[in-house]
Amino acid sequence: AQKITQTQPGMFVQEKEAVTLDCTYDTSDPSYGLFWYKQPSSGEMIFLIYQGSYDQQNATEGRYSLNFQKARKSANLVISASQLGDSAMYFCAMREFSGSARQLTFGSGTQLTVLP
Amino acid sequence: KAGVTQTPRYLIKTRGQQVTLSCSPISGHRSVSWYQQTPGQGLQFLFEYFSETQRNKGNFPGRFSGRQFSNSRSEMNVSTLELGDSALYLCASKGTSGLQYQETQYFGPGTRLLVL
Repeated sequence: AQKITQTQPGMFVQEKEAVTLDCTYDTSDPSYGLFWYKQPSSGEMIFLIYQGSYDQQNATEGRYSLNFQKARKSANLVISASQLGDSAMYFCAMREFSGSARQLTFGSGTQLTVLP
Repeated sequence: KAGVTQTPRYLIKTRGQQVTLSCSPISGHRSVSWYQQTPGQGLQFLFEYFSETQRNKGNFPGRFSGRQFSNSRSEMNVSTLELGDSALYLCASKGTSGLQYQETQYFGPGTRLLVL
């Protein structure tokens, strides 16, 4: 079963506007972490933001915030005041902390294009 | 701190050959993971090394192998290359403080392998 689902293959946003990238996940592990990465065309995966399953507050990092709804198993990334340099592929990922399988599992990604 | 470095950045090989990719983690990081990224399969976990021991392995054939040295640098080897091995190979390192947040993996720029 797919553990990370990103339902938006592509998104467009106007420069300076906010955009939400969707991510839902599936796990029975009570202890897990959710990550968002940005991948520009150069290929490098750039870490953006982290949310732990036990964190009481939604994570924020500059213009990035994570809308964490645990009961719905969703971890949407919100980018405020979009910039042209935000155009890239965005991946949601999860790491379960219990058990032996502790690798990152990635979603299929969302290609974000910021329009001038 | 310097980031994760990977060499070479680009590689062209022919079917049947073997290839070795190298990854140097962030200073102080002892965990190194490898991922394969293809347009069709997305990002898939290959293996993770910690203190020179393979700690976790993904679902890849035995042609894919790796190792880690005492300085935490890691290499992955692919023998008897197939056309389907053409991909971006990403290496990631992380710290091991035991805190959940330290589970964040930081990626290198990747090695683009083309098999002809």
